[in-house]
Amino acid sequence: GNSVTQMEGPVTLSEEAFLTINCTYTATGYPSLFWYVQYPGEGLQLLLKATKADDKGSNKGFEATYRKETTSFHLEKGSVQVSDSAVYFCALRTGGFKTIFGAGTRLFVKA
Amino acid sequence: SAVISQKPSRDICQRGTSLTIQCQVDSQVTMMFWYRQQPGQSLTLIATANQGSEATYESGFVIDKFPISRPNLTFSTLTVSNMSPEDSSIYLCSVGGGDTDTQYFGPGTRLTVL
Repeated sequence: GNSVTQMEGPVTLSEEAFLTINCTYTATGYPSLFWYVQYPGEGLQLLLKATKADDKGSNKGFEATYRKETTSFHLEKGSVQVSDSAVYFCALRTGGFKTIFGAGTRLFVKA
Repeated sequence: SAVISQKPSRDICQRGTSLTIQCQVDSQVTMMFWYRQQPGQSLTLIATANQGSEATYESGFVIDKFPISRPNLTFSTLTVSNMSPEDSSIYLCSVGGGDTDTQYFGPGTRLTVL
C-alpha cells in the first residue's frame, strides 16, 4: 500500500542553519507530493507541493524536488529562522483524493 | 483556496458522553474528510463525508462510534460517541478535490476526555 516515511525528530538547529528533512514514499501510480506545516497551536497549512517527477515545489524559502528515481521528496531551506519552528509533515495523494501523511518531524530553531 | 471553520475549537468532556464537531466551508466542495491527530502523532483519516449518502469509513473506524452527517456541500458534522480517554485527540476537518489535488484543513478541535 501507499506510505510515507520521514526522518524522526526533533531536529534542533541554530538560526541561519541549513535544514534538510528527509522524506521517502511508497506508492502505486503517480502520486502528488506535499509538505504541510503545523505551527504550535494551529492547524495544518500547505507549505508546498509537486505533482510530477522532477517538479520543484517552493514557498517561504523552502524547497522540495519530486525525485521518482529515489522515491523521495526531501524538504530543504538554506537559512532557518526561529519562526520556522513547527512540525512538518510529508504527504502523498493518489487519484482517490486520500492523503497519506508521514509521522511528522518537529523542528526547533534556536536564536 | 478554501476557508474552513470548526466548532468547538476545544472541549473537555466526561467519559461516556458524546460530542458533535461542526465543520463549515466558505464554498461548495465535493470532498470533505475527517482526520484524527492523536497527541504527538500524525494524522489518520477517519472517514470521507459524502453529500447525500453515508460516509465512507477507514479501517478501524465505525459509524456507531463516529457518526457523520453531510447535509450539503458546505457543512459536515462528526460525532465522537461514548467517549473514553483514548479518544483525546485533535479532530480535523479537511476539504479537497475538484480542479486541484490540494487539501485544506480546518484549525482542528482539541478534545480531552477525562
